[in-house]
Parts: sequence; structure tokens; C-alpha cells
Amino acid sequence: DVKVTQSSRYLVKRTGEKVFLECVQDMDHENMFWYRQDPGLGLRLIYFSYDVKMKEKGDIPEGYSVSREKKERFSLILESASTNQTSMYLCASSLNEGYGYTFGSGTRLTVV
Amino acid sequence: GESVGLHLPTLSVQEGDNSIINCAYSNSASDYFIWYKQESGKGPQFIIDIRSNMDKRQGQRVTVLLNKTVKHLSLQIAATQPGDSAVYFCAENKGDAGNMLTFGGGTRLMVKP
Repeated sequence: DVKVTQSSRYLVKRTGEKVFLECVQDMDHENMFWYRQDPGLGLRLIYFSYDVKMKEKGDIPEGYSVSREKKERFSLILESASTNQTSMYLCASSLNEGYGYTFGSGTRLTVV
Repeated sequence: GESVGLHLPTLSVQEGDNSIINCAYSNSASDYFIWYKQESGKGPQFIIDIRSNMDKRQGQRVTVLLNKTVKHLSLQIAATQPGDSAVYFCAENKGDAGNMLTFGGGTRLMVKP
């Protein structure tokens, strides 16, 4: 089975800190995605990547950046964390067209 | 705009009964649909998928039905168990490059003992 591993289940960070959320997948998937999930708002796409060193903005990229230096790893960066970035962050990966996503178990980030 | 939506935000069923969770989609070009289950504090898990050339697909205790005429997708869970309590999402793939999924808002299934 494909495994998508997010490095932390829970994180607490201070306002203004630079935060790195790491995601690794082990099945050579081309596509990787970062979502945030908030009550009543569902899954919202932050950034995605089709290939190494390639990134595309999703629906809510403001305040975030990403890095994909290796195919298996897709990092989400909060340049200067703010309290409105407190959320559940979900990483996913997939093959190309016509396949579902495999999600990681999520990182619940609290910014205080 | 085009969207994937759900008819019922919360569904409460008795243990042992069958559950039906519905999803409406508006993009007739969508060719692949997926149901995910998300338990509290966890990431979504793939349950079952169906492609647009099929009307029905069965898994273990789950069945997905696709009605392309009315753009409707449903997930049926047989003999619902307490472990089925979760939020269920439908998702559609429009077949665009890059394999982008559009997710529904989710339905919470609550199983009463």
C-alpha cells in the first residue's frame, strides 16, 4: 500500500515563527498536494506539485510556500505563522490522471 | 460555478441498518469519482471509486452507484457498524491534466447502538 507520512501529528508554534510541515510518500507518485481542513470549510487546496521542483498555487496559497526538491518529499512552509493558520493540514499524493489521492494522517497545527 | 455537493450534512442510522450517503455533481465531463472516509483526527481514507463507464461498483459492505443522467453519486453501506461512524466525502475528477480532484463538503454518519 502507498504510504503518505506527515512528520508531525500535532504542532504548537508561536506567532511569527517559520514553520515547516514535511510530507513523504513511498510509491513514486508524480503528484503531491497540500490541503488545509477547517470546520465548515472542507478541504481547501493550498499548493500542489506535478513533478520535482515544480509547484502550482491552489485556492488559498497566501502565507504559504512549498518545496519539492525530491520526488518523494513535499514540504509546506509557513513563512511567518499567524493564528489564522491554526488548522488541520493534510498532504496527499497520486499518480497521474484518473486516480484517487492517498492522504497522510494530518498535522494539527496550533499557532499561539 | 461547478461543484460537488452533498444532500445531507448529517446522517444518523441504527446499528445494523443500511446507510445511504448522497452526492450531487454538476460537471458532466467528470469521469472518475471517489468516496473517502475520515475518522475524527485522521486523514481521509479511500473507500471505493467508480469510473464514468460504470453504473455500480461493489466492495466489501459498500456499493457506489453512479447516475450520470441526473449527475448523482451515492455510497451505500450495508449493515452499518459503530466503526463506520465518520465523515464521508465524495470527490470527482474532471479528467483535466494533473489529476485534480474536487471534494464535496462531507456528510457525518452517526451510528446509534
